[in-house]
Amino acid sequence: DAKTTQPNSMESNEEEPVHLPCNHSTISGTDYIHWYRQLPSQGPEYVIHGLTSNVNNRMASLAIAEDRKSSTLILHRATLRDAAVYYCILRNFGNEKLTFGTGTRLTIIP
Amino acid sequence: NAGVMQNPRHLVRRRGQEARLRCSPMKGHSHVYWYRQLPEEGLKFMVYLQKENIIDESGMPKERFSAEFPKEGPSILRIQQVVRGDSAAYFCASSPQNTGSGNTIYFGEGSWLTVV
Repeated sequence: DAKTTQPNSMESNEEEPVHLPCNHSTISGTDYIHWYRQLPSQGPEYVIHGLTSNVNNRMASLAIAEDRKSSTLILHRATLRDAAVYYCILRNFGNEKLTFGTGTRLTIIP
Repeated sequence: NAGVMQNPRHLVRRRGQEARLRCSPMKGHSHVYWYRQLPEEGLKFMVYLQKENIIDESGMPKERFSAEFPKEGPSILRIQQVVRGDSAAYFCASSPQNTGSGNTIYFGEGSWLTVV
């Protein structure tokens, strides 16, 4: 599996935007970029995914670099409920499982 | 559309007993995955199943652990002769058939196993 690199932890103020970076310099042309998050004592929750183009949904936006070697998950207005561990995962066709790294622990400051 | 349902949510077993964890995938999903999360650690893949078939069990411990996904009924993760080191959260996930890498895997809320 191609590897991703994320900061171990980040802090952000409540009601401000949050940009969570992910580096994936060895990404292949068929790797999709998936983001999941895990709130305390809960199962992982799907956030967003994309291949080449930027993506938006009700939870977040995903900005993918033109060379696809990095991406950024954007939470437009952080709330206390967004405090979680965020995982950036590459997933290739034919490799159905998700391989979780250590993720970024996001702390929201009231 | 109900999500991935896991039960029991919490299970306490004495050393040497058997633990059975059940997972009902989302409606229309035919792929099931099991993950384990030890205390203060990350999620580790255990096994990937389709109906009546084990597709990838590369993360399953060689002994005491087994998984099945029968034609009818939930997927079962069975742990025989549990030891304290099996205490963990076990998460089940499901996805539709032929997901390709662009489709989504949905997780359940987990089953917390405590071995005393």
